[in-house]
Amino acid sequence: GENVEQHPSTLSVQEGDSAVIKCTYSDSASNYFPWYKQELGKRPQLIIDIRSNVGEKKDQRIAVTLNKTAKHFSLHITETQPEDSAVYFCAVRGSGGSNYKLTFGKGTLLTVNP
Amino acid sequence: GAVVSQHPSRVICKSGTSVKIECRSLDFQATTMFWYRQFPKQSLMLMATSNEGSKATYEQGVEKDKFLINHASLTLSTLTVTSAHPEDSSFYICSVVSGGTYNEQFFGPGTRLTVL
Repeated sequence: GENVEQHPSTLSVQEGDSAVIKCTYSDSASNYFPWYKQELGKRPQLIIDIRSNVGEKKDQRIAVTLNKTAKHFSLHITETQPEDSAVYFCAVRGSGGSNYKLTFGKGTLLTVNP
Repeated sequence: GAVVSQHPSRVICKSGTSVKIECRSLDFQATTMFWYRQFPKQSLMLMATSNEGSKATYEQGVEKDKFLINHASLTLSTLTVTSAHPEDSSFYICSVVSGGTYNEQFFGPGTRLTVL
């Protein structure tokens, strides 16, 4: 099955700095890569996603890049704010017969210090 | 995105009792829903795929007789934890596969189960 590795497990930055979280995956047929933000005790919220036919996608301060050859994708948050503090999960979905199942990384606890 | 609700949000029960958790898709007819379990400071662990009108598909290691799933309509899936024990205490979250461009998954608010 799919194996997703996420790094780092914790990340602490100063307000205004950028934060980068990286995930690698094992199945080269995977075609959909979402990122979720989860605040303590709350539901995971979809913040950005990318499909395998696109190399980069941006939404205001958040961007995701995908390198299919190397089988890794990254979340970039610029101009971080304290409210960005949360746990971020990457996920991967395979193609064909996976019935939309996602495999999640172990998460990154991001702390933005004021 | 899809609007998903869960009920109850929190439940405390005695060991040996059964607990039913409901997951509703409020604005979308969902043929597929997922049930996850999340322990503190850990990632989401997929328990099963809930398919409307058919039997759920369980992940390896998840006991189907202990975690009963019923997806009787396009807007409701239920998870029943039977004969709950303290080790079943966890955060249970459902998700809905939307009909959007990427068939995105949207999550319910979760149910915190504490078994005494």
